[in-house]
Amino acid sequence: AQTVTQSQPEMSVQEAETVTLSCTYDTSESDYYLFWYKQPPSRQMILVIRQEAYKQQNATENRFSVNFQKAAKSFSLKISDSQLGDAAMYFCAYRSALELTFGKGITLSVRP
Amino acid sequence: KAGVTQTPRYLIKTRGQQVTLSCSPISGHRSVSWYQQTPGQGLQFLFEYFSETQRNKGNFPGRFSGRQFSNSRSEMNVSTLELGDSALYLCASSLVAGQFSGNTIYFGEGSWLTVV
Repeated sequence: AQTVTQSQPEMSVQEAETVTLSCTYDTSESDYYLFWYKQPPSRQMILVIRQEAYKQQNATENRFSVNFQKAAKSFSLKISDSQLGDAAMYFCAYRSALELTFGKGITLSVRP
Repeated sequence: KAGVTQTPRYLIKTRGQQVTLSCSPISGHRSVSWYQQTPGQGLQFLFEYFSETQRNKGNFPGRFSGRQFSNSRSEMNVSTLELGDSALYLCASSLVAGQFSGNTIYFGEGSWLTVV
């Protein structure tokens, strides 16, 4: 079974600064998809970014980018120019054949 | 187009009762999955349905069940409610099922269940 680990429960960043959220996973599969989801206080899960494992190029979505290291099974999320609206819980997730496996999540706070 | 719609959004039930939660996926999406979110256990997979068939079920007791209709709408049922069933239940939909489909899973706003 796949496992997803987010070792940092909380992080804080100054507005306009850059922050990196870490995620590691364990799998024996070679092709898969990875996601970062954001969950604000409303609890709506919002897709932030996704990465196909067969692509070497790191995914980017505006201020959000990932550092995907397949050999190391690492999938970190970088948020540039942090905004107050980025404050939320962030979940890393692995898409297997039958389910989406989530990490425990990390609470990101943004200081004005 | 409309997103994933879950009803009801909030409900309070008494221990021992049963509850049914409903989920309407994004139009055209045929795969629906359910997750339970609690502070202690985080997000846990309940089950996934595709074309009215359950493809996979998570590690939950038989009190948790679900089904999917021909229009892809899904319901989940919890019988003989326990206090520990209090949670946010999230429904998600995607075009097709399976890891190699590559399509993204979209979530609804969830149904908050409180068992007293």
